[in-house]
Amino acid sequence: GDSVTQMEGPVTLSEEAFLTINCTYTATGYPSLFWYVQYPGEGLQLLLKATKADDKGSNKGFEATYRKETTSFHLEKGSVQVSDSAVYFCALSPGDQGAQKLVFGQGTRLTINP
Amino acid sequence: DAGVTQSPTHLIKTRGQQVTLRCSPKSGHDTVSWYQQALGQGPQFIFQYYEEEERQRGNFPDRFSGHQFPNYSSELNVNALLLGDSALYLCASSSGTIRVGETQYFGPGTRLLVL
Repeated sequence: GDSVTQMEGPVTLSEEAFLTINCTYTATGYPSLFWYVQYPGEGLQLLLKATKADDKGSNKGFEATYRKETTSFHLEKGSVQVSDSAVYFCALSPGDQGAQKLVFGQGTRLTINP
Repeated sequence: DAGVTQSPTHLIKTRGQQVTLRCSPKSGHDTVSWYQQALGQGPQFIFQYYEEEERQRGNFPDRFSGHQFPNYSSELNVNALLLGDSALYLCASSSGTIRVGETQYFGPGTRLLVL
């Protein structure tokens, strides 16, 4: 079945460091890919998404490129801030129809120290 | 514009009891999905409601049931609670229009503790 595997956490970085959180997926067909973020005590917020191969999603300085050949959607940011501390989830929506279920990875906890 | 709202925010129950959680979707959305997030894990899909019917279901037992009302709000019911049902229950809303990469918007969740 469809699945998402994320880089094991937790990840601790200093402010202004470069961030990469790895995400790979297994799916039939052509899924859409998402990164969601969960701040302490809150629900999930969409960070960015990509719906087809080679698409790049970006938001708030974060980027991720849909790589079909490596079945990956790694999250990157050039210079992290303390406010980026949160749990990050990679997810896919299977197939070619909208409003389908989301399949999530296990999450990666990110802590940024000043 | 109100986002997705859920009630209650926290709930404590004992084993064997029944619980009902509620969700109101974002304005303009007609589809509601429910997810269970155990501590330290990613959310797991329970089911999705569209036009007052269950459209998709994840790998959860029949103790988990739901309902969608004509105003698109939804309820999640869990019968015969087990300790393992303790989790954060998330509701997400979206448009039912079949569109690639449709975004789901999440509520803050209901934290259920089963003792």
